[in-house]
Amino acid sequence: GAGVSQSPSNKVTEKGKDVELRCDPISGHTALYWYRQSLGQGLEFLIYFQGNSAPDKSGLPSDRFSAERTGGSVSTLTIQRTQQEDSAVYLCASRMTGTNTGELFFGEGSRLTVL
Amino acid sequence: EDQVTQSPEALRLQEGESSSLNCSYTVSGLRGLFWYRQDPGKGPEFLFTLYSAGEEKEKERLKATLTKKESFLHITAPKPEDSATYLCAVQAAYAGGTSYGKLTFGQGTILTVHP
Repeated sequence: GAGVSQSPSNKVTEKGKDVELRCDPISGHTALYWYRQSLGQGLEFLIYFQGNSAPDKSGLPSDRFSAERTGGSVSTLTIQRTQQEDSAVYLCASRMTGTNTGELFFGEGSRLTVL
Repeated sequence: EDQVTQSPEALRLQEGESSSLNCSYTVSGLRGLFWYRQDPGKGPEFLFTLYSAGEEKEKERLKATLTKKESFLHITAPKPEDSATYLCAVQAAYAGGTSYGKLTFGQGTILTVHP
């Protein structure tokens, strides 16, 4: 596709359930990022992939959060045993290696609501 | 720890009324400072990259400048379509000049331009 695609766009779940959020980056983009944006807050870094490896996962808030990337393309962010404080918009971004390292292309996000 | 503080939190302007947004930062070694625009319900959209103090970039009614401690986004004769949240982010350069690619974002300035 032409841009970064994220699914689902909206997810409502009950506290304690597991959720998976998917990101399909721009074709050929080797770097992939996950950020979280809570209401009225800035973007909170979660994890950065270069290819299939994650050299920086320092932003994952707890061991309930995990992410993987396969084939250097699609990435999945998994949240286990969701809590109400996990409610936020989860944004994925990608960029090409070697280009302007701060020019990220963002998807429209997955809005997660935990009841 | 890298920190980015943006001010004001919100800014209301009349069409044609020029103003500036501020981004103050602390980072161990700056690899780059980036400005993004975010419209409601959308992911951030890249605007500018600044690498060193004294650098300036322009695009239409926007001009970004950088000093050793802060960056300004100047908006000249704004139009209602400039209304958005403007985000500033920094990327640190670690030992050896490498970077893991993480961008640290500020909380943004919500700009509203009235006709």
